[in-house]
Amino acid sequence: DTGVSQNPRHKITKRGQNVTFRCDPISEHNRLYWYRQTLGQGPEFLTYFQNEAQLEKSRLLSDRFSAERPKGSFSTLEIQRTEQGDSAMYLCASSSTGVGYTFGSGTRLTVV
Amino acid sequence: QKEVEQDPGPLSVPEGAIVSLNCTYSNSAFQYFMWYRQYSRKGPELLMYTYSSGNKEDGRFTAQVDKSSKYISLFIRDSQPSDSATYLCAMSYNNNDMRFGAGTRLTVKP
Repeated sequence: DTGVSQNPRHKITKRGQNVTFRCDPISEHNRLYWYRQTLGQGPEFLTYFQNEAQLEKSRLLSDRFSAERPKGSFSTLEIQRTEQGDSAMYLCASSSTGVGYTFGSGTRLTVV
Repeated sequence: QKEVEQDPGPLSVPEGAIVSLNCTYSNSAFQYFMWYRQYSRKGPELLMYTYSSGNKEDGRFTAQVDKSSKYISLFIRDSQPSDSATYLCAMSYNNNDMRFGAGTRLTVKP
């Protein structure tokens, strides 16, 4: 197991298009988190899964954002009708006990 | 006012120096305190984890939490050029919804 894997690493999309990111957590980790990070800022919490259940969602997660974790394994984050303000690094993390997270390298989204 | 305040720096020190990084916070419910290191174009990497108040040491790194002052610190002894990175403090009341500081960019010069 090589850690948390995120794909794609980079995504450039036109405003108004939909995009989907994938996260493969460490296999034995039952908790999965999505964060967003903009330049010069720390990561901001978006949502949290325990197994397949989405237990918490930030108010930052507007109706255009949806996340899933079917079967409690990999997760997807979809952004519909992208806006320029969605440009950011989207980070996925996983944990088994909640004692600290293991982050992936992120997906950098640029909306033009 | 942000829940977690962290001086973004940048901070530049010579190799071998002792580095002190700090964060303040406003939510007295925070119980879990962490420090992450982030290299350019990489995800954050967990360095230190502390529950409630007290000190924790791991090699050249020491984390301190003062809940009465709502203040946490990370000390790096004998700093190395490989320590050059952005250091993020993070904290949570339930170990799920972590709140991060903006990060302090550190450069250790040979």
